[in-house]
Amino acid sequence: KNEVEQSPQNLTAQEGEFITINCSYSVGISALHWLQQHPGGGIVSLFMLSSGKKKHGRLIATINIQEKHSSLHITASHPRDSAVYICAVNGGSQGNLIFGKGTKLSVKP
Amino acid sequence: ETGVTQSPTHLIKTRGQQVTLRCSSQSGHNTVSWYQQALGQGPQFIFQYYREEENGRGNFPPRFSGLQFPNYSSELNVNALELDDSALYLCASSATGALNEKLFFGSGTQLSVL
Repeated sequence: KNEVEQSPQNLTAQEGEFITINCSYSVGISALHWLQQHPGGGIVSLFMLSSGKKKHGRLIATINIQEKHSSLHITASHPRDSAVYICAVNGGSQGNLIFGKGTKLSVKP
Repeated sequence: ETGVTQSPTHLIKTRGQQVTLRCSSQSGHNTVSWYQQALGQGPQFIFQYYREEENGRGNFPPRFSGLQFPNYSSELNVNALELDDSALYLCASSATGALNEKLFFGSGTQLSVL
């Protein structure tokens, strides 16, 4: 079992829909990252969370440390939101990030 | 724009060859980490450097080695390339490497080993 699990693996939505991507982890962490990866590979950091909730524009990230679970929400989704969303936690033995496999989101116009 | 650049963007090598990938971090970022991302998978931690010293390593063999330079650039070297080394290689930098610090990623180098 992977230490960081994301669901769903793939997600197709219509423009305007509310989207939720989930992340569960099994290791102790001090922070969780949500990352966005576009075709071509570049990764952009969206959020870094250690507790509670953060909001940036149409994106909202929440974390429940006790339940070892985080969610990324996208409101009023748009085709430009199409990307792979990756959850990562800093629970590695070297203090390194452990990544989920990502959720591939496709938003149709 | 993350301020982290990687070169080359694409590279084709044959089995047994050696390769050097380069990363230029943001000025002032003393920590750089390297990751390998196979197709359809999340990135896997290779190693991390802080002020030119390796200070963390993932489950990769010694033929994966690195260097970090005082000018905030770094290299990932892979010797005796194997077909399974085909992947996207990403570097990420941060100021101090603290656990709750934001990371800035490059766009990656896509390595194909034939």
